[in-house]
Amino acid sequence: SAVISQKPSRDICQRGTSLTIQCQVDSQVTMMFWYRQQPGQSLTLIATANQGSEATYESGFVIDKFPISRPNLTFSTLTVSNMSPEDSSIYLCSVTQGILAKNIQYFGAGTRLSVL
Amino acid sequence: RKEVEQDPGPFNVPEGATVAFNCTYSNSASQSFFWYRQDCRKEPKLLMSVYSSGNEDGRFTAQLNRASQYISLLIRDSKLSDSATYLCVVNPGTYKYIFGTGTRLKVLA
Repeated sequence: SAVISQKPSRDICQRGTSLTIQCQVDSQVTMMFWYRQQPGQSLTLIATANQGSEATYESGFVIDKFPISRPNLTFSTLTVSNMSPEDSSIYLCSVTQGILAKNIQYFGAGTRLSVL
Repeated sequence: RKEVEQDPGPFNVPEGATVAFNCTYSNSASQSFFWYRQDCRKEPKLLMSVYSSGNEDGRFTAQLNRASQYISLLIRDSKLSDSATYLCVVNPGTYKYIFGTGTRLKVLA
């Protein structure tokens, strides 16, 4: 299984600032995924980070708010820009490994963000 | 209708009990199915994958019913350490994974 290092593990930020979350994988992967999990809720996909092209954003998420970088096949960053208290959440990066329909998704430990 | 639906619970069961969760999905073309376990303040971790009719691993059994579009997770001889949220995850045949809202289980001493 993939080993994913995500940092920071937690942060407390002021309104209006930005935070960049890093995700490092121990093997090369085609796609990396960024999720948000708000308190008491399940995971919502923010975007899919593809190496060599722009990220693909899900409905309700935009690049200006959540810019993503994917400089190589083992690393990605997600920035939460111009933060407000509504952005307080857990942010998770994930990758898939496997073959076709038997791909399994693995997660980083998450970044717990609190915005004051 | 949500793409993946689960009863949020909580399910409070005594140690040693057998408990079952169901999860329904809306996309009949879905290819693969997973149960993940998520402990409080932790990331989801794969518990079981289901590609055909079912899968069994120790005290855990997952079953797939394609005709009725649901998967189930059965936990036998519940342990205190089984207390967690169980997420049903469906791959509809694309690169995306659809997560249910999770079912909370609390095993009581």
